[in-house]
Amino acid sequence: GENVEQHPSTLSVQEGDSAVIKCTYSDSASNYFPWYKQELGKRPQLIIDIRSNVGEKKDQRIAVTLNKTAKHFSLHITETQPEDSAVYFCAASSSGSARQLTFGSGTQLTVLP
Amino acid sequence: DVKVTQSSRYLVKRTGEKVFLECVQDMDHENMFWYRQDPGLGLRLIYFSYDVKMKEKGDIPEGYSVSREKKERFSLILESASTNQTSMYLCASTQKGGGGGANYGYTFGSGTRLTVV
Repeated sequence: GENVEQHPSTLSVQEGDSAVIKCTYSDSASNYFPWYKQELGKRPQLIIDIRSNVGEKKDQRIAVTLNKTAKHFSLHITETQPEDSAVYFCAASSSGSARQLTFGSGTQLTVLP
Repeated sequence: DVKVTQSSRYLVKRTGEKVFLECVQDMDHENMFWYRQDPGLGLRLIYFSYDVKMKEKGDIPEGYSVSREKKERFSLILESASTNQTSMYLCASTQKGGGGGANYGYTFGSGTRLTVV
């Protein structure tokens, strides 16, 4: 089955700096890669996703890049703000019967004011 | 605006009890999932279902079963609760995968924090 590794497990940045979270996956058949943000005590929320036929996708301060050859993808947050502080999860989905997601272990991002 | 509802936010059960966690979605989604979330381990898939009465094991199905008698409802059952099943349980749903443009994003419930004593 799929295996997703996520690094780092914790990340602290100064407000205004950029943050980068990296994930690798094992199954070359995986074709969908979402990122979820989970604030303390709340449910995970989809913030951006990318499909395997695209190398990069951007949405305001958030971007995701995908390298299919190396089987890794990254989340980039620019001009970080305190409200970006949360746990971020990457995930990978294969073409299984329900397109089930395999999640990384999460990154606790803290943006220091 | 809540679209995936989990019946309980907090539950405390005794070892050996049979525990039912309920999840209901109102988006007519075909796919439903149960994950457990533990610190440092991320979200791990327990079971999922892609249609009524259909179920498949995820990565950690041992000690759990599921039921999907209606499209909108997916139940997780702990046959005999044990302390190592103390965790946050998250239900999610998504529409059936298809051609380009299909939205594969999960909608999560608020979670049930289960404590087994």
